[in-house]
Order: sequence, then structure tokens, then C-alpha cells
Amino acid sequence: SQTIHQWPATLVQPVGSPLSLECTVEGTSNPNLYWYRQAAGRGLQLLFYSVGIGQISSEVPQNLSASRPQDRQFILSSKKLLLSDSGFYLCAWGAGYEQYFGPGTRLTVT
Amino acid sequence: KQEVTQIPAALSVPEGENLVLNCSFTDSAIYNLQWFRQDPGKGLTSLLLIQSSQREQTSGRLNASLDKSSGRSTLYIAASQPGDSATYLCAVSKDSNYQLIWGAGTKLIIKP
Repeated sequence: SQTIHQWPATLVQPVGSPLSLECTVEGTSNPNLYWYRQAAGRGLQLLFYSVGIGQISSEVPQNLSASRPQDRQFILSSKKLLLSDSGFYLCAWGAGYEQYFGPGTRLTVT
Repeated sequence: KQEVTQIPAALSVPEGENLVLNCSFTDSAIYNLQWFRQDPGKGLTSLLLIQSSQREQTSGRLNASLDKSSGRSTLYIAASQPGDSATYLCAVSKDSNYQLIWGAGTKLIIKP
């Protein structure tokens, strides 16, 4: 069966520090991969999606970036965090019409 | 630009009641619509997916309907239980890459 992992589960970082969030998927190959951000009281915002290794599409211009160094690994990064980057970050993988979500990372930028 | 709205933002009902959650979208040209459940501080679990050609889908006590022409979907929960307490999100697919446009969710509390 397929599983999706995200780490860390929670993270507190100061403004201006770098960020690296990792997502890995098991039990499937060549999945579509997605990074979402969920701000308090708001819907999910698609940040990046990837249809293959090295193929990244950005939905929202910002100080975040994503990379897919391996088929089942998706990394969300930032060189310098902003206060507005605080939120709940979710990774998902897609199969056909459905998406399956990881447990999320709660990021607080102080 | 597609926009998805969920009303109400929060709902509290006694256990055992039947209830309806609403989702509306501005562009009827969708591929599909999905309902998800999110428990506090957790990821999302897919509940039901309705293809654009379908009118409804059922899973256990859950029934989701889709009216593309009016840009509406409802999630019906029968005989609600405290374990149904969660935030319910609807999302419509944007294109063939299955990118989803999300509503802000309805926070549901079922009182024992």
C-alpha cells in the first residue's frame, strides 16, 4: 500500500532563517506530487506541483522553492523565511483523479 | 478565476441529526469535485469524489451531490456521530493535471 511521509511534524524558525521540508512517498512510482499551504481559517493554497523528476510548476510567486531530486521525494525550501510563511504545509501525491495527503508540517516563523 | 466557497464556516449540531454541508464554485467547467475531512492538526482524508458527469456519490452515511450548472455541491451526513467532528473541505479540479481549487472548509462539531 502507498504511504506518504512528511517531516518534521512541527517547526519553529526565526525570520530570515532557511527552510527545508521533506516529503517522501512509498508504494507507487512516478506520482504527481504537490505542496500546499493552509493558513489559519483559509483553504489550501497550491504552492508547487511536479509531474516528474526535476519538473516543478509554481502556482504562486513567493520566496519558496521546490525540488524533486528523486521520483518519490519532494522538498520545499526557502533561503530566508518571512513571518507570512507561517502555516500548515501539506504534501500530497496524485493517482488519477485523487490526491492523498501526508500528515503535514506546522511551521511557525517568529 | 475559479473560486470555491463553503457555507457555513462552522456548524454545531446534536448527535443523531442529519446535516448538510454546502460548497459552491464559480466556474462550472470542472473535471471533478472532491470532499475531504481534516482532523485538527492532521492531514486530509478523501471522502468522496464526484466526476463531472456524475450527479452523486455515496459512502456509508455520506452522500455527496453535484449540480454543475448551478455550481453547487452538498455533502449530506446521516445520523451524525461525535466522531464526525472535523473540518470538511471541498475542492474542484482545475485541469487535467488534477490541480485542486479549495474551499476554506466547514468546521463541524457534533455534540454528544
